[in-house]
Amino acid sequence: SQQGEEDPQALSIQEGENATMNCSYKTSINNLQWYRQNSGRGLVHLILIRSNEREKHSGRLRVTLDTSKKSSSLLITASRAADTASYFCATDAGGTYKYIFGTGTRLKVLA
Amino acid sequence: EADIYQTPRYLVIGTGKKITLECSQTMGHDKMYWYQQDPGMELHLIHYSYGVNSTEKGDLSSESTVSRIRTEHFPLTLESARPSHTSQYLCASSEYTTEAFFGQGTRLTVV
Repeated sequence: SQQGEEDPQALSIQEGENATMNCSYKTSINNLQWYRQNSGRGLVHLILIRSNEREKHSGRLRVTLDTSKKSSSLLITASRAADTASYFCATDAGGTYKYIFGTGTRLKVLA
Repeated sequence: EADIYQTPRYLVIGTGKKITLECSQTMGHDKMYWYQQDPGMELHLIHYSYGVNSTEKGDLSSESTVSRIRTEHFPLTLESARPSHTSQYLCASSEYTTEAFFGQGTRLTVV
C-alpha cells in the first residue's frame, strides 16, 4: 500500500487565499518532500524537510513535520492561478531511500 | 533545470508488441526510479535501482523489466504490451538524501 495519504483529495480556493494540504505516512523516515505536478507532466521538487526539522520555509511555501504523528502539512500563502496543480508528498519509506508518494491533492486556484 | 530525459514522450502501440521506454540522466545520480501513474491518480513505484547492476521491484507489481548497465541509463521494457499497460510512466533520479528529479514522462497507449 502507499506510504502516504494526503487530504484533502481536491481543494478549490480563490486567488489570494492560503491553501493547506496535509500528508500522513506510515513508517519512520529520514526526510519528507513535497512535489508539484502540472497536468500530466513530470513532477517538480518544491521542498525537503528532514526528520529532525519541524518547520521549513521557501518563498510562499511553509512545510511542517510532526514525526510523532507521522504527518506533514504544506501551506501555500497568497495563492495564484499559476499554483493550480497536483501536490504530492513523498517519503523515503523507512529510511530505504526509495521514494514513495502519497495520493496527492489537486489544487485549483480561481482567478 | 533537471537533466533527465525520457523518450518517447507519447507512444501508441498494438497489443503483443515489445517496447522499451528510455530514460537517461546526466547528473551522475546513483539512484533511479520508474513510477506508473494513471491520469489524475497517485504514483506507484514499479522499479528502482541503487546503482549499476542493481535493480529492485517496487511496491506495485509490474510485468515490465528494467536494466542498469550504465549509471546514466535506466530503460524499461515490456516484452508483450497489453491494453492494461496503458498508463503514464515517469522516470526519476536522485542522490541518497536529496530531492528526486523527474523526466517529462512517457504516455503509453496500447490498442
